[in-house]
Amino acid sequence: KAGVTQTPRYLIKTRGQQVTLSCSPISGHRSVSWYQQTPGQGLQFLFEYFSETQRNKGNFPGRFSGRQFSNSRSEMNVSTLELGDSALYLCASSSRTGSGNTIYFGEGSWLTVV
Amino acid sequence: AQSVSQHNHHVILSEAASLELGCNYSYGGTVNLFWYVQYPGQHLQLLLKYFSGDPLVKGIKGFEAEFIKSKFSFNLRKPSVQWSDTAEYFCAVNSLYGSSNTGKLIFGQGTTLQVKP
Repeated sequence: KAGVTQTPRYLIKTRGQQVTLSCSPISGHRSVSWYQQTPGQGLQFLFEYFSETQRNKGNFPGRFSGRQFSNSRSEMNVSTLELGDSALYLCASSSRTGSGNTIYFGEGSWLTVV
Repeated sequence: AQSVSQHNHHVILSEAASLELGCNYSYGGTVNLFWYVQYPGQHLQLLLKYFSGDPLVKGIKGFEAEFIKSKFSFNLRKPSVQWSDTAEYFCAVNSLYGSSNTGKLIFGQGTTLQVKP
């Protein structure tokens, strides 16, 4: 079974631009969540989508948004990029049925804002 | 609010030494607990997980963890570390939404383990 796939793996953007990151979950998984990883703040939860609906949201400004499509694939968007948005963005998926489901992570998208 | 605290930020051990990494969480309800590992340049990989049942769980590569509910702890152990265990280790807690777990993990700050050959 293919794992969680994220694209692009690396990208460089300029302050003020926007960026869209893509995530394909493991086949059959309907929950997709996004995380930001930085050296200073560690791993922080951004949001979770399940069946095309946002179910959980972390403490990030409205510049961070996401969506999920009917095939469970997800995208996250960051508008008006700031230098502090430079980070590794991780996507994770789970089947979210039952109480004992494992959450699997993709390799991440490295975003550098200059 | 939920939080996870890892006691050690940076641990240096010699090969064959024993390892114990502390993890405490704050949450009053039912939780699922995880340890993830991130090897240099690689993505997060699941080491082990606790959902219910036997509080002593075994994971990959000889790691194990013990869930102590009364202490809100989920410490990671390995009897004898190897140089290849050099990595960053993250403890995480996941709350339940009704009877299902959510996709939201709260992570600890991480512990960098350096094993000297």
